Amino acid sequence: MQLVESGGSVVRPGGSLRLSCVASGFNFEDYGMGWVRQIPGKGLEWVGGINWNGARPGDADFVKGRFTVSRDNAQNALYLEMNSLRVEDTAFYHCARRAPAAVIWYFDLWGRGTLVTVSS
Amino acid sequence: SYELTQPPSVSVSPGQTARITCSGDDLPKQYTFWYQQKSGQAPVLVIFEDNKRPSGIPERFSGSSSGTMATLTIDGAQVEDEADYYCYSAASGSNVKVFGEGTKLTVL
Repeated sequence: MQLVESGGSVVRPGGSLRLSCVASGFNFEDYGMGWVRQIPGKGLEWVGGINWNGARPGDADFVKGRFTVSRDNAQNALYLEMNSLRVEDTAFYHCARRAPAAVIWYFDLWGRGTLVTVSS
Repeated sequence: SYELTQPPSVSVSPGQTARITCSGDDLPKQYTFWYQQKSGQAPVLVIFEDNKRPSGIPERFSGSSSGTMATLTIDGAQVEDEADYYCYSAASGSNVKVFGEGTKLTVL
């Protein structure tokens, strides 16, 4: 079972970026998925998620409509569309799988992350 | 906003018991989860729903929760347990999900 993120790069403030995460080794369409970010050298921070059926559990306050989580079950892929990027969005963005049959959202499988750097 | 508080660091000698705490006002009503993250690697779930251990996690890892504090215990800590440990929970009555700031465990 594996999650591999891609799409991270250097972008200017106000710019946009789309991150991807490809899943393998499990039946992707059966699981909720999400994104968690980590400022280099700092802690973890929930970004947002999407259930197996496309329903959304709620984004972090700092997202404020700037980021959108989506998925393509045919491609075993999860996406994070990020707009109006700010310097403080600089972080590693981890893709993660929601644990099945859980009342609360928590993750039981993570990717290593892709680095987004927002800088002028 | 809801916060979970962890000590920045814990240090033990190999074979000793390491205890990492996590405090939060809603922990009496919400489960706590614990993640291990080694340098440059993806986080790994080591405890879920306060005290359950996923398959493949060594028995020396255990969790407990009482009142507003949850505790991750590593009985007989080993050098390979050196990592950052994060607690995770949710705020009651909202969609807010939070991680603690993380605790760096040193075993030497």
